[in-house]
Amino acid sequence: QSALTQPPSASGSPGQSVTISCTGTSSDIGYYNYVSWYQQHPGKAPKLMIYEVFKRPSGVPDRFSGSKSGNTASLSVSGLQAEDEADYYCSSYAGRNKIIFGGGTKLTVL
Amino acid sequence: EMQLVESGGGLVQPGRSLRLSCVASGFTFDDYAMYWVRQAPGKGLEWVSQINWNSGTTGYADSVKGRFTISRDNAKNSLHLQMDSLRAEDTALYYCAKDSGFYGARTYSYYMDVWGRGTTVTVS
Repeated sequence: QSALTQPPSASGSPGQSVTISCTGTSSDIGYYNYVSWYQQHPGKAPKLMIYEVFKRPSGVPDRFSGSKSGNTASLSVSGLQAEDEADYYCSSYAGRNKIIFGGGTKLTVL
Repeated sequence: EMQLVESGGGLVQPGRSLRLSCVASGFTFDDYAMYWVRQAPGKGLEWVSQINWNSGTTGYADSVKGRFTISRDNAKNSLHLQMDSLRAEDTALYYCAKDSGFYGARTYSYYMDVWGRGTTVTVS
């Protein structure tokens, strides 16, 4: 039950786009579409940003988008804004009533 | 407003036990599965456990299986995590989270749309 693999950091200038990857296996991301992304600002609880690979909960800006190819999911943020600076975590259902998270990516808006 | 409030954290010696609680408000508690997720200091999120709406199915991370027990009391809108045989590596902020219900009431979606502020557990 290893964590999903994310790059530790990513960055972009305001207005630019950035993509964060999340690599799993054929037993989690590659098998299920229960892939989600969470945003966490320092000292705050996580917030659901993307679910079912690409869907956005109500209230999440359409600047945030998700996708999946094989065992890798991706979160893209376009039109970067200062408030997007946060930690981002991917998550996937892994079968047998288990969920796994990625190690997290710190997004810096330069 | 949907709200989750955790309690029960504290400083405990290795090998001892602790029971966390989470009280829910603002939604029909027994319509949703619930989760515990923890975050060690300066580290990432780790799913700990989950329970469906009627306690019929549960799941545990390998790191806590056999030591932690999740339970819920729908009459009291409360979720619990009994933590036994605690280890230093269990030190973390423990969050209670609600299932999104995106696929219908009383069905796991495996997404967490409401989170509490967390309660801190220190094993030392």
